[in-house]
Amino acid sequence: GESVGLHLPTLSVQEGDNSIINCAYSNSASDYFIWYKQESGKGPQFIIDIRSNMDKRQGQRVTVLLNKTVKHLSLQIAATQPGDSAVYFCAETFNFGNEKLTFGTGTRLTIIP
Amino acid sequence: DTEVTQTPKHLVMGMTNKKSLKCEQHMGHRAMYWYKQKAKKPPELMFVYSYEKLSINESVPSRFSPECPNSSLLNLHLHALQPEDSALYLCASSPWDRGVGEQYFGPGTRLTVT
Repeated sequence: GESVGLHLPTLSVQEGDNSIINCAYSNSASDYFIWYKQESGKGPQFIIDIRSNMDKRQGQRVTVLLNKTVKHLSLQIAATQPGDSAVYFCAETFNFGNEKLTFGTGTRLTIIP
Repeated sequence: DTEVTQTPKHLVMGMTNKKSLKCEQHMGHRAMYWYKQKAKKPPELMFVYSYEKLSINESVPSRFSPECPNSSLLNLHLHALQPEDSALYLCASSPWDRGVGEQYFGPGTRLTVT
């Protein structure tokens, strides 16, 4: 399944399938990007980050892709599990040590058993 | 200890009340943050403290008053709030020497202003 974070805020994926969550960021000067996961009743949880000198970074079951040309960020989650159901936010900042993190609108991911 | 704790979990207050939100972390982080989050919206930055000094105030109304008594503790004092201030208030911390990206969030305080 695939969604564009700004235009399709919900995404439903069958358990075991891969999911792709997209994010269009706003500031061409942004050079550091982070994905956060927020489960119901909890604060956001850091998932993975990527700097602008990279176009791909992998973690455990997650991969972040960065396309600076079109200011696009995506989060791929492999073999989705029920615990992956949450709202996913992309966030951007610029200048290492810059103090402000700007969050995107978020995408709600629902895993169907 | 990799946890940010926030108290209380829920708070209901009238528009004439004075109350405080508390945030604590024991990870040695030197940056602490207050965010406001409305339902189905992303967190919005309110304040940033670095090394116990206020470094960012995102034009927050003066009815919200932050305080950082020491490197582990962050308070948000509330006075004469409006119903539209009802929201989830999130505290976060980060190791300053690694920038602002990897922030650790607390579970939040759900505030209702009546």
